[in-house]
Amino acid sequence: DAGVTQSPTHLIKTRGQQVTLRCSPISGHKSVSWYQQVLGQGPQFIFQYYEKEERGRGNFPDRFSARQFPNYSSELNVNALLLGDSALYLCASSLASGTANFGPGTRLLVL
Amino acid sequence: SQQGEEDPQALSIQEGENATMNCSYKTSINNLQWYRQNSGRGLVHLILIRSNEREKHSGRLRVTLDTSKKSSSLLITASRAADTASYFCATVNFGNEKLTFGTGTRLTIIP
Repeated sequence: DAGVTQSPTHLIKTRGQQVTLRCSPISGHKSVSWYQQVLGQGPQFIFQYYEKEERGRGNFPDRFSARQFPNYSSELNVNALLLGDSALYLCASSLASGTANFGPGTRLLVL
Repeated sequence: SQQGEEDPQALSIQEGENATMNCSYKTSINNLQWYRQNSGRGLVHLILIRSNEREKHSGRLRVTLDTSKKSSSLLITASRAADTASYFCATVNFGNEKLTFGTGTRLTIIP
């Protein structure tokens, strides 16, 4: 079975632009979570979705939004990009209350 | 925000030696998990220990949990060059599934 996939792998944007990151979970996994990892730190929770419903939201501004589609894939959107949004964005999928399986991440650089 | 701290921040040992990493956290937990991250890419789940467990083994890994001290340790025995990576502990609280990560330990195995 394929693992969690994310696209794109790398992305360069300028301040003020908008970005959409995509995630495809492992087949059968209905829960998708997003994490932001700034260089040198541990990942920080952004969102969790389960069966297309938002189940949790971390301490991130409203510029961050996400959604989950009927096939359980997910998108993370970030508006009005700031330099501080430069980070590795990780997606994880799981069965209900199971351990998380992480994708390879999308590395976003904001100039 | 990070749940807690990991100690040490960096560790270099000779191949074949044992490596021990410690993790402290702040709140009551449902379970604690350890993840490995190679070169800033996706995280790989290593082991999960529940709050009512004190010790768990998986291959060359041994994890302990002391809920009274809010701390955990990860022991990697007979280290190999392939163990070179960053290691993160992550806690899960009761009532939700989000992972709250520590700051990580960067482990280097010297051949």
